[in-house]
Amino acid sequence: DQQVKQNSPSLSVQEGRISILNCDYTNSMFDYFLWYKKYPAEGPTFLISISSIKDKNEDGRFTVFLNKSAKHLSLHIVPSQPGDSAVYFCAAAGGTSYGKLTFGQGTILTVHP
Amino acid sequence: DAGITQSPRHKVTETGTPVTLRCHQTENHRYMYWYRQDPGHGLRLIHYSYGVKDTDKGEVSDGYSVSRSKTEDFLLTLESATSSQTSVYFCAIGILQGNYGYTFGSGTRLTVV
Repeated sequence: DQQVKQNSPSLSVQEGRISILNCDYTNSMFDYFLWYKKYPAEGPTFLISISSIKDKNEDGRFTVFLNKSAKHLSLHIVPSQPGDSAVYFCAAAGGTSYGKLTFGQGTILTVHP
Repeated sequence: DAGITQSPRHKVTETGTPVTLRCHQTENHRYMYWYRQDPGHGLRLIHYSYGVKDTDKGEVSDGYSVSRSKTEDFLLTLESATSSQTSVYFCAIGILQGNYGYTFGSGTRLTVV
């Protein structure tokens, strides 16, 4: 039972364009959502988060949008840079699992120069 | 990696042997977690700890045990390694609050042959 799903295994964009990574969840008790970035042979690094009381959170080139009614969140990267090429994981927590993160499968982002 | 060290970084072991992975933190953090990363599954929680000698099971705990006798060390033991436990194992510390997520170690790549 995959409670957090990233349905696109990979995404390819040109440098300077927008990258949009999507994530869907099924557990309505989730109230805190995060995005992590992972380079090969390294651990995931925290990128940005959003709580369910908000629908948008920005940090520089990164913006996360949350649509609670659709149980959907997205990460926008503008403009995309080659150094953004990595695996991106969305994660969620809340309800009885508070404090423990449930991760999606990951999306491999490739930004071409 | 913000004071988290995992050892060993790589290990090859034979089916049926016990294996212990170590996570050491210098952040004096109360909360620690063990995750495994597999293609198509993202990261899945194995065990977690909310303090010394206070541990609990995650979603994929079968075949694993943990111990936390000191705040700084969280050990993951594969009691009798199987090929299905070939994976990359990540330790994490932290709690979910504000605009912060967990901090992950660099991982241990374990191969069971």
